[in-house]
Amino acid sequence: DGGITQSPKYLFRKEGQNVTLSCEQNLNHDAMYWYRQDPGQGLRLIYYSQIVNDFQKGDIAEGYSVSREKKESFPLTVTSAQKNPTAFYLCASEDKSYEQYFGPGTRLTVT
Amino acid sequence: AQSVSQHNHHVILSEAASLELGCNYSYGGTVNLFWYVQYPGQHLQLLLKYFSGDPLVKGIKGFEAEFIKSKFSFNLRKPSVQWSDTAEYFCAVNPLSGGYQKVTFGTGTKLQVIP
Repeated sequence: DGGITQSPKYLFRKEGQNVTLSCEQNLNHDAMYWYRQDPGQGLRLIYYSQIVNDFQKGDIAEGYSVSREKKESFPLTVTSAQKNPTAFYLCASEDKSYEQYFGPGTRLTVT
Repeated sequence: AQSVSQHNHHVILSEAASLELGCNYSYGGTVNLFWYVQYPGQHLQLLLKYFSGDPLVKGIKGFEAEFIKSKFSFNLRKPSVQWSDTAEYFCAVNPLSGGYQKVTFGTGTKLQVIP
C-alpha cells in the first residue's frame, strides 16, 4: 500500500526542546516537501528536497532543519529557535508531473 | 516570485447551490495548475489538474475547473454541491520554465455546505 506516513499524529513538547517529525514515503518519488498549515494561512513551505542529499529552504525555514539521507525519508526538526512552533505540519512527495501526495500530518503543541 | 490568490476565504452554501471558487496566479509563463481538497480529518488530496490541452478540466466528485490564460485564472466549479463537499480547497500553481520550480499554494477556501 503506497503512500506517505507521518508520525506521530500528535506531539507535545516543552518550550526549549528540539523535536523531530518523521516523514516516510514508498512511492519512489525524488522530491519531498514540508509544509506548515495554520488557520487562514494555507500551506507555507518550510523546506523541500528535489533529490537525496540535497534540500532547499522554503518561505519559512527559520527555526527548522531537515536532512535527506535516504530517498524514502525526509525528517523535519523543529528547533528551539522557532518562535511559534505550535502548528500542523504536513509532509508531501511529488511525482514527475508535479502532483503532490500528502501524509496525514503531525499536530505539534509546544507549551 | 509567483503568487496564488484565492479571494474567498470562507464560503457557505446550501445543498444544491452552485459553486465557484476563484484562483488567480501571477506567473506569466507556462504553468501546471492544481486544485487539492482537504475533507475534515482526512489527507489533502488531488481534486483535479491542468497540464495542457482542453482548458476545461474535469475532476473527481463532479468538480471541474476552467483555465483562462488571459485572466491568469483557474476557477473551480460544481453545478450542485452536497453536504459531503464541506472541506477546505487549495489552488496550486507550478511554473514550468527556468528549471525546477516548486509548487506554490493559495491560502485556501473553506467551504461549508448546509443541508
